[in-house]
Amino acid sequence: GAVVSQHPSRVICKSGTSVKIECRSLDFQATTMFWYRQFPKKSLMLMATSNEGSKATYEQGVEKDKFLINHASLTLSTLTVTSAHPEDSSFYICSASQTYEQYFGPGTRLTVT
Amino acid sequence: GENVEQHPSTLSVQEGDSAVIKCTYSDSASNYFPWYKQELGKRPQLIIDIRSNVGEKKDQRIAVTLNKTAKHFSLHITETQPEDSAVYFCAAIPMDTGRRALTFGSGTRLQVQP
Repeated sequence: GAVVSQHPSRVICKSGTSVKIECRSLDFQATTMFWYRQFPKKSLMLMATSNEGSKATYEQGVEKDKFLINHASLTLSTLTVTSAHPEDSSFYICSASQTYEQYFGPGTRLTVT
Repeated sequence: GENVEQHPSTLSVQEGDSAVIKCTYSDSASNYFPWYKQELGKRPQLIIDIRSNVGEKKDQRIAVTLNKTAKHFSLHITETQPEDSAVYFCAAIPMDTGRRALTFGSGTRLQVQP
């Protein structure tokens, strides 16, 4: 149980375009989903927390207009990186939680050229 | 807010030896402490967790200890195997507040030498 999927696993896009990443909890209803960014050999940096049906709570320093988060249902959250630039290239990981245990998706490696 | 510090940043052990990773936290309200294992390019996997109403928890070769007074908790891996090589992250959260997000430590890269 507690399986979280994430799609796509890898994406390469041109500078200025937008990219959407999906996070799904496959076998449980996630009341809360989290989006993280991870740089090489670094820890997980929380970007935002999203609850189903409400606006996401962004961490300090994360631009909400650039990283759009939608949590439309108890099993799906999306992160859209708008007007992507090379500095947005990173490993993005979502996690889903029903109580306090968090289960992570496999991550999306974004490369902006 | 919560601050979690993790040591060491890298750890190399011989196969069969034990490995210990330590974390300290700052928020005395924190009462849930999970540990995650992340292999290169893969997702973090929850390997063990502990709540503040217990001082120790074991699962086969893995154990976690918690000292609430000192605000530190540790991961112990016995009889290490090469497949234990990965980055390990500790985390903390106060379950009784509105905050739902974990605060992670900086990670420990464990290398088990065959």
